[in-house]
Amino acid sequence: SSDLTQDHAVSVALGQTVRITCHGDSLRSYYVSWYQQKSGQAPVLVIYDENKRPSGIPDRFSGSYSGNTASLTITGAQAEDEADYYCHSRDSSGNNLLFGTGTKVTVL
Amino acid sequence: EVQLVESGGGLVKPGGSLRLSCTASGVIFRNAWMSWVRQAPGKGLEWVGRLKSNSAGATTDYAAPVKGRFTISRDDSRNALYLQMNSLKTDDTAVYYCTTWWFWGQGTLVTVSS
Repeated sequence: SSDLTQDHAVSVALGQTVRITCHGDSLRSYYVSWYQQKSGQAPVLVIYDENKRPSGIPDRFSGSYSGNTASLTITGAQAEDEADYYCHSRDSSGNNLLFGTGTKVTVL
Repeated sequence: EVQLVESGGGLVKPGGSLRLSCTASGVIFRNAWMSWVRQAPGKGLEWVGRLKSNSAGATTDYAAPVKGRFTISRDDSRNALYLQMNSLKTDDTAVYYCTTWWFWGQGTLVTVSS
């Protein structure tokens, strides 16, 4: 399959840790990026090349990878982290780009 | 500061055409590989297509749902990216974003409805 699948929704208590996963066969071959999208806003890049953070992204965001699964971890979640999160990579051919199905993160 | 500003969205009937524009500032546009991404109301992000820089061959790739109907082009002298959309369908209704992957515009809404 060329799809990237994510859990639909997860919740996390304020200050706790949450892991968001992205599954896809193509992830064995291609890097993953992660985007945060708050309601009514454009996406923001939070992780690229599996585990690198752009300037200005808090270090509580981290990325990891194993086999056909990539993960985004928020360590010490804050209220402002409540958003939709999308993984992004390529399909198995490498020519087409894909987004994951998206995960809604709620901070309790 | 990098800014991407989309324009050209609006209401169009099924089967109609529309051209979106994206104007860039604060970035060396001629070196940028540019993409269009869309988001239908209440749905997730969907990659539409990509145009490489001229120095990389200016080749394009398109997602299956739009291949043959949409065309991406660029005018580096104007720091502008375009999305020509033909044979529009109701399923094409979405906010359309231009992006370098690092930077995104705020999007322009395209509504396809009779």
